[in-house]
Amino acid sequence: DGGITQSPKYLFRKEGQNVTLSCEQNLNHDAMYWYRQDPGQGLRLIYYSQIVNDFQKGDIAEGYSVSREKKESFPLTVTSAQKNPTAFYLCASEVAGGFGEQYFGPGTRLTVT
Amino acid sequence: ILNVEQSPQSLHVQEGDSTNFTCSFPSSNFYALHWYRWETAKSPEALFVMTLNGDEKKKGRISATLNTKEGYSYLYIKGSQPEDSATYLCAPKGNYGQNFVFGPGTRLSVLP
Repeated sequence: DGGITQSPKYLFRKEGQNVTLSCEQNLNHDAMYWYRQDPGQGLRLIYYSQIVNDFQKGDIAEGYSVSREKKESFPLTVTSAQKNPTAFYLCASEVAGGFGEQYFGPGTRLTVT
Repeated sequence: ILNVEQSPQSLHVQEGDSTNFTCSFPSSNFYALHWYRWETAKSPEALFVMTLNGDEKKKGRISATLNTKEGYSYLYIKGSQPEDSATYLCAPKGNYGQNFVFGPGTRLSVLP
């Protein structure tokens, strides 16, 4: 079955540690996205990639980093520089450009204490 | 960043009631708008892709309309069922090269 997988579902880290969230898709989509959700807010864009080996900052990129070495994979690293990393993180993909709807993974809930 | 508003923030209705909610966005630039349904413990799923002023889309008991000149889209649910309980997100895009911007969502609870 085609889809997007994110792992792990729940992640706990100590403050000051970097942590990498996984996102894999087998939909053959060119574009991939990382969003963050906080209570009472919409999904906010962290980083996106329209093509392999290229990515752009979204609206709240500070304290995060990504890579796009393969079409299927778009891992997100939450660095110790992110001041408020506890949140729900969603990965999505779409056919690049145009009107195409996004397909979402199940999300990772990160708790940093 | 596009300013996207959704109202109401949350809504409780009885099974069988019909309901509607609103997504507002700047009318100055418009390329497309998505509606998503996000059920608890699941991933958001696309309901509609809307592109033209006056668009009306329908999927079963759910329909949506679009007015790009005044900057709003309505989502209607006819005869709400408990399985309609979810958060409904809208996401407009201002221009081709931009990204979709998500509104905060309307959380619908349908009571049996």
